[in-house]
Amino acid sequence: EVQLVESGGGLVKPGGSLRLSCAASGFTFSNYNMKWVRQAPGKGLELVSSISSGGSYIYYPDSVRGRFTISRDNAKNSLYLQMNNLRVEDTAMYYCVRDLNLLCGGDCPFDPWGQGTLVTVSS
Amino acid sequence: DIQMTQSPSSLSASVGDRVTITCRASQDIRTYLAWYQQKPGKVPKLLIYTASTLQSGVPSRFSGSGSGSDFTLTISSLQPEDVATYYCQKYNGAPWTFGQGTKVEIK
Repeated sequence: EVQLVESGGGLVKPGGSLRLSCAASGFTFSNYNMKWVRQAPGKGLELVSSISSGGSYIYYPDSVRGRFTISRDNAKNSLYLQMNNLRVEDTAMYYCVRDLNLLCGGDCPFDPWGQGTLVTVSS
Repeated sequence: DIQMTQSPSSLSASVGDRVTITCRASQDIRTYLAWYQQKPGKVPKLLIYTASTLQSGVPSRFSGSGSGSDFTLTISSLQPEDVATYYCQKYNGAPWTFGQGTKVEIK
C-alpha cells in the first residue's frame, strides 16, 4: 500500500523554524517527483514546493521562496521541508503529495496525499 | 501565472439533483486539469485528471469535461456522501495552481 506519513509540525513563534518530514512507503520513492501542499484553516490549497525525483529541479512560489527549502533522501525514502523565518500566515496543514504516476513526466496531478502535519505560527 | 477560477463558490442542492461546477483557466491549459474532492476534516482526494479521466474507485456519477480554458465537473445524481469542497487544478508545469474551491451542500 502506498503511504505518505508527515511529521514535524507544531507551534512555533514568528521568526522561528521547523523541519517537516515525510516518510514514503509502498512505492519506489526515488522514481517520483514530490511536492508539499498547504492549506490554511478554512482556506484553499496552495503548493509550496516541488522537487524532482533526483532532486535536481526545485520550485517555490514567491510566498515561500528564500524561506523554505525542500529536500529529499532517496536512500531513506524521505522528503523534507525546512521552514525558516516563519510568519503567522504560514499557519496551515502541510501535506506531502506524490505525482500520480511515472507516465505523465513533470505534468502530473497529485495522488496520493499524506494525512498532513499542522504548523501553527503564533506568539 | 495562470489563474484558475471556479464557480459557484458554494451551492446547495437536493439529493438526486444534477450538480455542475465550472473551472476557468486564464490561459489555454489543454486538458491538464484535475478535480479533487475534500470532505469535511479529510484529506483531498483526486477524482478526475486529464479533464475527464476518472481516478480508480471514483463513482461513475462523477464526470469531467472541457479543454483549453473551460472545464466542468458534473455529479449526475448528488448523494449525501458527496458533501465536500471541490477544487480544480492545472498541472501543466509550475505553478500547479488550484481553484479557490466550490463547497457543495445538501439542501
